[in-house]
Amino acid sequence: DADVTQTPRNRITKTGKRIMLECSQTKGHDRMYWYRQDPGLGLRLIYYSFDVKDINKGEISDGYSVSRQAQAKFSLSLESAIPNQTALYFCATSDAATSGGNNEQFFGPGTRLTVL
Amino acid sequence: QKEVEQNSGPLSVPEGAIASLNCTYSDRGSQSFFWYRQYSGKSPELIMSIYSNGDKEDGRFTAQLNKASQYVSLLIRDSQPSDSATYLCAVNTNFGNEKLTFGTGTRLTIIP
Repeated sequence: DADVTQTPRNRITKTGKRIMLECSQTKGHDRMYWYRQDPGLGLRLIYYSFDVKDINKGEISDGYSVSRQAQAKFSLSLESAIPNQTALYFCATSDAATSGGNNEQFFGPGTRLTVL
Repeated sequence: QKEVEQNSGPLSVPEGAIASLNCTYSDRGSQSFFWYRQYSGKSPELIMSIYSNGDKEDGRFTAQLNKASQYVSLLIRDSQPSDSATYLCAVNTNFGNEKLTFGTGTRLTIIP
């Protein structure tokens, strides 16, 4: 089984709809991250969480919210989707105990989201 | 100036040759450096990490770090068609909350 899973893998929705992307991990890592990837812009950090009670905004958090339901689960919500949120979304994890300050991150398979 | 810069490519290299990928970063306090490989439509895969100046070798891959010049590179020896992918450079920029900053990637094509 994959260590980091994301659901759904593909989603097409309409402008104004609420969308939730889910991420689960069995790696036992404490830190989880949400990124979006757009052609030519690379990976950009949306939100990150260092533990269940810790949520931090990344560089492009506007229009997004997150919930860390458990150490293993981190979900990303788009409250009212808009077309420029069409992108590839990745969840990633890292472990402070094993990587220390080095922050090696491991990525899930991604969710391709299209907002019409 | 972008925090992490890579040549966007595409970079074309004959099979069996050495592919050289370069990355520069702006934050002198950066401590950790990573190379990820990403096949089209897939997720980034960590292939190399380097934390101190010098070279680090792992199989056909060698990462090189020069903190004084704020430069990190990835060499791929005996390039194979399966090495064709986009390579992402990532830097751990510690501004109190540790996070990775990614370059936009270099697309590498190995020509059989």
